[in-house]
Amino acid sequence: EVQLLESGGGMVQRGGSLRLSCAASGFIFSDYVMTWVRQAPGKGLEWVAAISGTGGNTYHADPVKGRFTISRDNSKNTVYLQMNSLRAEDTAVYYCAKDVQGSVWYFDLWGRGTLVTVSS
Amino acid sequence: EVVLTQSPATLSLSPGERAILSCRASQSVGTYLAWYQQKSGQAPRLLIYDASKRATGIPARFSGSGSGTDFTLTISNLEPEDLAVYYCQQRGNWLTFGGGTKVEIK
Repeated sequence: EVQLLESGGGMVQRGGSLRLSCAASGFIFSDYVMTWVRQAPGKGLEWVAAISGTGGNTYHADPVKGRFTISRDNSKNTVYLQMNSLRAEDTAVYYCAKDVQGSVWYFDLWGRGTLVTVSS
Repeated sequence: EVVLTQSPATLSLSPGERAILSCRASQSVGTYLAWYQQKSGQAPRLLIYDASKRATGIPARFSGSGSGTDFTLTISNLEPEDLAVYYCQQRGNWLTFGGGTKVEIK
């Protein structure tokens, strides 16, 4: 079955760290750009980070640059998001998603999301 | 950063009517624009990419058009299951999403 399954969310104090994981199945993982997108409670979608199929190129949105790091392990079909120095405004559901054609930066397969809550 | 402005914020229509959603970019993104549907409590679903190409499995009553800075998503023959928030996304200059349009069914 083609699917993405996020894990690792939870409640963390401001300034703390968390690592999210997204396990993929049902497709050739290394052929696709993967991305993380977040959604604060009651708000819209916000792109967070993306990584090329080989993992050699990474991209991070300005609000998380220097604090979050995207990575992947193609032997485990898993993409990660290491989140450090967390702030209240990072509270959101975090989705991982797969590129529709490889590296065109549109996303056709999404996980169910994992909730990150940053408490002050 | 390319800012995407979606209008209207909310659209309330009856089943069978046509919904026209707008997405305007702060600078040209060519045809590098997608539309997603997000139902309550669910992940987004890709509907349209490259402004007018339907994603796999998307019904023909969903269509997209536009280029440059002005884009439209049209939902013909609205069905109750189309109740959702619709987002546009550009990939012409990094990646950004619009603020969304909520479609309500009367």
